[in-house]
Amino acid sequence: DGGITQSPKYLFRKEGQNVTLSCEQNLNHDAMYWYRQDPGQGLRLIYYSQIVNDFQKGDIAEGYSVSREKKESFPLTVTSAQKNPTAFYLCASSTRQQMGYTFGSGTRLTVV
Amino acid sequence: AQSVTQLDSQVPVFEEAPVELRCNYSSSVSVYLFWYVQYPNQGLQLLLKYLSGSTLVKGINGFEAEFNKSQTSFHLRKPSVHISDTAEYFCAVSALSGGYQKVTFGTGTKLQVIP
Repeated sequence: DGGITQSPKYLFRKEGQNVTLSCEQNLNHDAMYWYRQDPGQGLRLIYYSQIVNDFQKGDIAEGYSVSREKKESFPLTVTSAQKNPTAFYLCASSTRQQMGYTFGSGTRLTVV
Repeated sequence: AQSVTQLDSQVPVFEEAPVELRCNYSSSVSVYLFWYVQYPNQGLQLLLKYLSGSTLVKGINGFEAEFNKSQTSFHLRKPSVHISDTAEYFCAVSALSGGYQKVTFGTGTKLQVIP
């Protein structure tokens, strides 16, 4: 079955460390997205990519970086510059026409 | 710019009672509208969407929503809820912005079904 796989489901990071969250899709979708979810704030867009080797900043890109070397993969790196990284991170994909997202099951990142 | 407002952060309702979750949006261009459901510690799942055509849209799990252009609303309804409907529901609007379809999510409504 087609879908989006995010790994790991839970991740713990020490302050000052970079950490990379994985997102892989086999839906043949062109566009991929990273969202951050905090209680009571809904979903906030971090980065998005509409095509391989191209990506754009979303609303809260500071302290994050991404790459899109393959259509299927869109990893997110949370850098030490992100001051408040503890959150639930969601990856999504869609066709270019944007008829709705398919979401992964999320990664919960905790800074310890 | 576009925005989505979900006025109710929490909605308690008794099992088998009807429910309406409210969503209002603003946009200067034509939009697509969506409702997603999120169960604890999971990703979001698409419930239903309005792209064009009939303003009454039926989705999964017995939910439906009605697009009202004059009131810029897209309220979600279910005539009889079950315990399993307890979850958080997100309204989203998609509009063309800068050459791509930009999606904006509301802040979510937690539906608590009471036995």
